[in-house]
Amino acid sequence: KNQVEQSPQSLIILEGKNCTLQCNYTVSPFSNLRWYKQDTGRGPVSLTIMTFSENTKSNGRYTATLDADTKQSSLHITASQLSDSASYICVVSAMGGGNKLTFGTGTQLKVEL
Amino acid sequence: DTAVSQTPKYLVTQMGNDKSIKCEQNLGHDTMYWYKQDSKKFLKIMFSYNNKELIINETVPNRFSPKSPDKAHLNLHINSLELGDSAVYFCASSQAGQPQHFGDGTRLSIL
Repeated sequence: KNQVEQSPQSLIILEGKNCTLQCNYTVSPFSNLRWYKQDTGRGPVSLTIMTFSENTKSNGRYTATLDADTKQSSLHITASQLSDSASYICVVSAMGGGNKLTFGTGTQLKVEL
Repeated sequence: DTAVSQTPKYLVTQMGNDKSIKCEQNLGHDTMYWYKQDSKKFLKIMFSYNNKELIINETVPNRFSPKSPDKAHLNLHINSLELGDSAVYFCASSQAGQPQHFGDGTRLSIL
């Protein structure tokens, strides 16, 4: 069964600090892995997308890594800002028709002063 | 300028009623989706349409019926609403292999 697990479930950090969110998956055959940011009351917004051959991708202060061998990904946030407070969702796509995605349950990040 | 727009944003109704949620995308994408997000924030695919054709239909009660009049629209009709239908419903669209663009959700509350 395809699964995506994220840790921690929630995280509180001080503004300006860095943090790393983890994602482990068992989706097969693997196509790509995406990180989304979901602000409260809004829909998820894509941050990064990585295929099998990519092991790192950056989007501003967000850097995602992928280890396809161990089936792990991380999202590193540098110099956090209050606006980074959101839910971060790891999504893995399997090869095959229908663009079927498996969603993680997300990490709820709160950045405080 | 909203890429994926859903209406209404909030929907409060009584058990047993029938309701519809509309979704439109102006991105020119071929594929559209409906997701349900429960109270634990877990997003679950319900349906996916590609060029007006149904391509994903997860285990969803047949009280839920999607309709795609054209590739820019995917509406969701729900019959005989039940308490367990309370959730946030997200519409999304994408183009081949690219990340999905989500609407801001419709918050459905069943009384």
